[in-house]
Order: sequence, then structure tokens, then C-alpha cells
Amino acid sequence: DGGITQSPKYLFRKEGQNVTLSCEQNLNHDAMYWYRQDPGQGLRLIYYSQIVNDFQKGDIAEGYSVSREKKESFPLTVTSAQKNPTAFYLCASSIGDQTTEAFFGQGTRLTVV
Amino acid sequence: AQSVTQPDIHITVSEGASLELRCNYSYGATPYLFWYVQSPGQGLQLLLKYFSGDTLVQGIKGFEAEFKRSQSSFNLRKPSVHWSDAAEYFCAVASPSGSARQLTFGSGTQLTVLP
Repeated sequence: DGGITQSPKYLFRKEGQNVTLSCEQNLNHDAMYWYRQDPGQGLRLIYYSQIVNDFQKGDIAEGYSVSREKKESFPLTVTSAQKNPTAFYLCASSIGDQTTEAFFGQGTRLTVV
Repeated sequence: AQSVTQPDIHITVSEGASLELRCNYSYGATPYLFWYVQSPGQGLQLLLKYFSGDTLVQGIKGFEAEFKRSQSSFNLRKPSVHWSDAAEYFCAVASPSGSARQLTFGSGTQLTVLP
């Protein structure tokens, strides 16, 4: 079955460490996105990628980095520069950047300890 | 700029009762509208979407939503709620000429279903 796989489901990080969240899709979608979700808030866009080897900052990119070396993969690194990294992170994809319907992964909950 | 308001943070209904979740949006023209559902610790699943045409949209799991241009609303309804409907529901809006990266989400409505 086609879909988006995020791993791990739960992740714990010590302060000052970088951590990478995985996102893989087998939907053959060109566009991929990373969102952050905090309690009582909607989703906020961190980064997006329209095609391989290209990505753009979203609304809250500070303290995060991404890469898009393969069409199916869009990993997110939460760096030590992110002041408040504890959150639920959602990866999504769409057929192309000009389509508005997004498909979401199951999310990764990151906790800084 | 587009925005979405979900005025109810938390709603509690009894199983078998009807449900209406409110969503109001701010946008200069008619946007694309979406309702997503999120079970605890899970990703978002698309319930239904409105692009154009019939203003009453049918979705999965027995949900429907009605687009009312005059009220800038896109309320989600279900005639009889099941315990498995307990989840958080998000309304989202996007420009018809835009992309998924321009989706704007509401802050969500948490639904509790009583037995």
C-alpha cells in the first residue's frame, strides 16, 4: 500500500544534541512538507520541497534543516539551535506543489530531556 | 492573509447524538476547504474537501460538510456519532491557485464521545 512512513514514532533527545526525523513516501509525489504541531495549535509549516534537490523555508524554519536527495525521502534535522523542540512533527506529501491536497504520515513525537 | 477559526476547543457529545463542528475562514475569494481528523498520536486523515460545485460535501466515515459563502463557514456534521469518532478535528483552507504548502489550519476541535 502506498503511504508516508515516519520514524521513529517516539524520540527522546538531550538538550544540545541534533536529531534527525525520517520521512519516506512511496506515493511518487513530487512535493513534501514538514509541519510542527503543538497542543491547542494548528499545524505550522517548517520546510517544504517541490522537487528533488530543492527545498524552501516555511513559517518556522529556524533551528531546523532538511535535505531532499531522493524523491521518496525528506528527512528533518532538529538542531540544537531550536529553542523549544519538544513537539509532534508531521510529514506530508502532495502530487505536486500546485495541488492543495496533502497526505500525512503518522507523526513523530520528539521530547527533549 | 487567509485564516481559519474553529471556535470550539472541546466538544462533548453522547454516542448516537448528532454532531456539528464549526469552522469559519477568512479569505478574499472562495478557497479550497478541507476537514481532517487526527486520532491520538496519529497523523491527519482527510475526511472531505470542497473545491467547487455542490455546497454540501460528503466525506468518509459518514461525515458531511456544508460550505456557506455568505457566512464564510464550512461546518462539519454527522447525524449519529460513534465512540470511534472521538478524535481531534482540523479545518483547513487553501488558495485555489496555491499549493499544499499554503494550507492554513485551524487550531482544532477535540471531540469526546460519552457512552
